[in-house]
Amino acid sequence: GNSVTQMEGPVTLSEEAFLTINCTYTATGYPSLFWYVQYPGEGLQLLLKATKADDKGSNKGFEATYRKETTSFHLEKGSVQVSDSAVYFCALSKEMDTGRRALTFGSGTRLQVQP
Amino acid sequence: DTAVSQTPKYLVTQMGNDKSIKCEQNLGHDTMYWYKQDSKKFLKIMFSYNNKELIINETVPNRFSPKSPDKAHLNLHINSLELGDSAVYFCASSPIWIRRGGSDTQYFGPGTRLTVL
Repeated sequence: GNSVTQMEGPVTLSEEAFLTINCTYTATGYPSLFWYVQYPGEGLQLLLKATKADDKGSNKGFEATYRKETTSFHLEKGSVQVSDSAVYFCALSKEMDTGRRALTFGSGTRLQVQP
Repeated sequence: DTAVSQTPKYLVTQMGNDKSIKCEQNLGHDTMYWYKQDSKKFLKIMFSYNNKELIINETVPNRFSPKSPDKAHLNLHINSLELGDSAVYFCASSPIWIRRGGSDTQYFGPGTRLTVL
């Protein structure tokens, strides 16, 4: 079945440090890939997405590239801010046998940015 | 202006009670979902409805019953609550999609924190 594996957290960084959160997936065919962010006390928000191999999703300084050869979708940001502190979820969307699509989430990675 | 709203935000109740969580979306989406997030932040889909039709029903105890009176609402009713039901429950919606293509993006509500004592 489909699965998503993320690096264990928490990830603790100082402000302006470089961020990488690793994400790898297992799926047949060509899933769409997503990063969602959950700020404290809030629901999940879409951060960025990529729908085919070599696509790069980007938003708010975050980037991730869909790498089919390594089945990865690592999240990066060049300079993190305290306001980026949140839990980040990698997810894939895959068509099911019913013809419907469903999201499979990773376990989430908590990012803590210190001033 | 809230796109996906849930009520209540917090729910504290005793074991054995029956409770409901309501979800409404004003985005005009055809598909709605319920997710459960446990204490370790692991997020798992429970149900999905498309145009009031149940299309995803993961391995969830039959004490959980979703109800969709119309495509803008997907309520979650839980019978005989157990301690293990304590979690944050998220509702989400996504636009209509076709078999190939369409939009996968899901829009989440703020969550309902359920505590069973």
